[in-house]
Amino acid sequence: GDSVTQMEGPVTLSEEAFLTINCTYTATGYPSLFWYVQYPGEGLQLLLKATKADDKGSNKGFEATYRKETTSFHLEKGSVQVSDSAVYFCALTTPGFQKLVFGTGTRLLVSP
Amino acid sequence: DTAVSQTPKYLVTQMGNDKSIKCEQNLGHDTMYWYKQDSKKFLKIMFSYNNKELIINETVPNRFSPKSPDKAHLNLHINSLELGDSAVYFCASSQATHVPHEQYFGPGTRLTVT
Repeated sequence: GDSVTQMEGPVTLSEEAFLTINCTYTATGYPSLFWYVQYPGEGLQLLLKATKADDKGSNKGFEATYRKETTSFHLEKGSVQVSDSAVYFCALTTPGFQKLVFGTGTRLLVSP
Repeated sequence: DTAVSQTPKYLVTQMGNDKSIKCEQNLGHDTMYWYKQDSKKFLKIMFSYNNKELIINETVPNRFSPKSPDKAHLNLHINSLELGDSAVYFCASSQATHVPHEQYFGPGTRLTVT
């Protein structure tokens, strides 16, 4: 079945450091890919998305590029802030299936 | 303007009880979902309804029964609660005709079974 694999956390960084959170996927169809973010005590918010190969999703300084050849959708940010501390989920949907399949989430902790 | 709302936010109850969680969306979406997030933050879909019709039912015990009175509401009723039902339950909605199926999530209901 379809699945998403994320790097284990927590990822601990100092403010202004560069962030990468790895995400790879397995899907039978041609998936759409998402990153969701969950701030402490809150629900999930869509951070960015990509629907086809080589698409780059971006939002709030975060970026991720849909790489079909490596089945990856790594999340990056050039300079993290304390306010970016949250849990980040990589997810996919495949055509005809309306459910999101999530990775296990990666907790990011940013210290001043 | 709350897009997807859930009530209650917290629910503490004893084993064996029956409880309900309510969800409402004001986005005009036609599809709604219930997800369960366990203590390790793992998220898994439970149910999905499109235009009040059940379209996804992911091997959830039949103690869980979703009900969709209209497109804007999807409630979750749980019978005979067990300790393992303790989790955070998220409601979400999307528009089936919008590809990809971006889903908008509610704030979650933290259920604790003692």
